[in-house]
Amino acid sequence: KAGVTQTPRYLIKTRGQQVTLSCSPISGHRSVSWYQQTPGQGLQFLFEYFSETQRNKGNFPGRFSGRQFSNSRSEMNVSTLELGDSALYLCASREQGADTQYFGPGTRLTVL
Amino acid sequence: AQKVTQAQTEISVVEKEDVTLDCVYETRDTTYYLFWYKQPPSGELVFLIRRNSFDEQNEISGRYSWNFQKSTSSFNFTITASQVVDSAVYFCALSEAWGDYKLSFGAGTTVTVRA
Repeated sequence: KAGVTQTPRYLIKTRGQQVTLSCSPISGHRSVSWYQQTPGQGLQFLFEYFSETQRNKGNFPGRFSGRQFSNSRSEMNVSTLELGDSALYLCASREQGADTQYFGPGTRLTVL
Repeated sequence: AQKVTQAQTEISVVEKEDVTLDCVYETRDTTYYLFWYKQPPSGELVFLIRRNSFDEQNEISGRYSWNFQKSTSSFNFTITASQVVDSAVYFCALSEAWGDYKLSFGAGTTVTVRA
């Protein structure tokens, strides 16, 4: 099976802009989670989607949002970008009933 | 709240040496899962091993082994006969067993294996 894929791999934006990141889970996986990785805060959970519904949300401002489509693909949106949003955004997928999450290669976002 | 602590920031070894990574966790849950992930320079988090809280049997998988001790809330990971390709950042992570699958990660330990 193909692994988790994320697009784009790299993004450069300026403050105030918005950005959309995409994640395609492993075939058959219906759960998609998003994590932010920064040197200062480490790996932090953003949210999880399962069957198009947000099941869990981390402690991030409302500028961070997401959605999941009927084919389990997920998008994450960050509006009004701030310098501190520069990070590696990792997506992970999980099979229903299983606990192990498998991660994609990440999208590295740089905000100038 | 869940918390994972990896006290070792960096470890440097010579090839073929064994490397042991420490992980201590805190949780109020009685049932939970523990994981180790590897992050090479490419950035992708690679799943290595998983252990649930009600199975304290320690195992060996190839060059990897782990020591789970519930009494001390520790979940240590050992790479035997390290290789240069093992150079990466290693993360210990914790999740609840029921319903909430979000992972709480430690800060990571950077392992450098020198030839």
